[in-house]
Amino acid sequence: EVQLLESGGGLEQPGGSLRLSCAVSGFTFSTYSMTWVRQAPGKGLEWVSGISGSGGNAYYADSVRGRFTISRDNSKNTLYLQMHSLRAEDTAVYYCAKSGGGDAPRYWYFDLWGRGTLVTVSS
Amino acid sequence: SYEVTQPPAVSVSPGQTASITCSGDKLGDKYPRWYQQKPGQSPVLVIYQDGKRPSGIPERFSGSNSGNTATLTISGTQAIDEADYYCQAWDSTTVVFGGGTKLTVL
Repeated sequence: EVQLLESGGGLEQPGGSLRLSCAVSGFTFSTYSMTWVRQAPGKGLEWVSGISGSGGNAYYADSVRGRFTISRDNSKNTLYLQMHSLRAEDTAVYYCAKSGGGDAPRYWYFDLWGRGTLVTVSS
Repeated sequence: SYEVTQPPAVSVSPGQTASITCSGDKLGDKYPRWYQQKPGQSPVLVIYQDGKRPSGIPERFSGSNSGNTATLTISGTQAIDEADYYCQAWDSTTVVFGGGTKLTVL
């Protein structure tokens, strides 16, 4: 069964850090780029970051560049998002998604999504 | 930065055709993708790569694009199609989502 399972969300204070994980099963993880997308409460989708299948190329939205780091461990079939200097506006459900199409964002479409993990940044 | 624009809301009667637009500079060259999201659920890809439908997506969903506008068309709209719909494009090395369109079937 194909599954993407996010974990690591929770309540964190402004300026704090969190690491999200996405455990993948049911497909050859290393073959596909992966992405994080977030959705603030009652708002639309916002792309956060993506990484190529090998992990050699990472891409970020302007809103998180320099604060968030995406990585993957293909031996563990797991995607990560390390988040530092958290702000109130980072509060959202964070989804991981499998990126079809290839290694570059211009080709990406997101054909499998996890259920998401909620990150709340508040004092 | 690149932006794509969707109408906030579209309404349609059951059995009729719903059209949801997405606009952006030279969007037609970017093969926009479309996602459906129902309340409390994760998004689902419904259209990708210039009009392709993933396995399991009904034939009533179709996509077209030309110039600066892409359109998601739902033919014979059903009550189960009521959801938020998002277009997705790209610019340079980033991915861009539209603000979403709430489709109401009434």
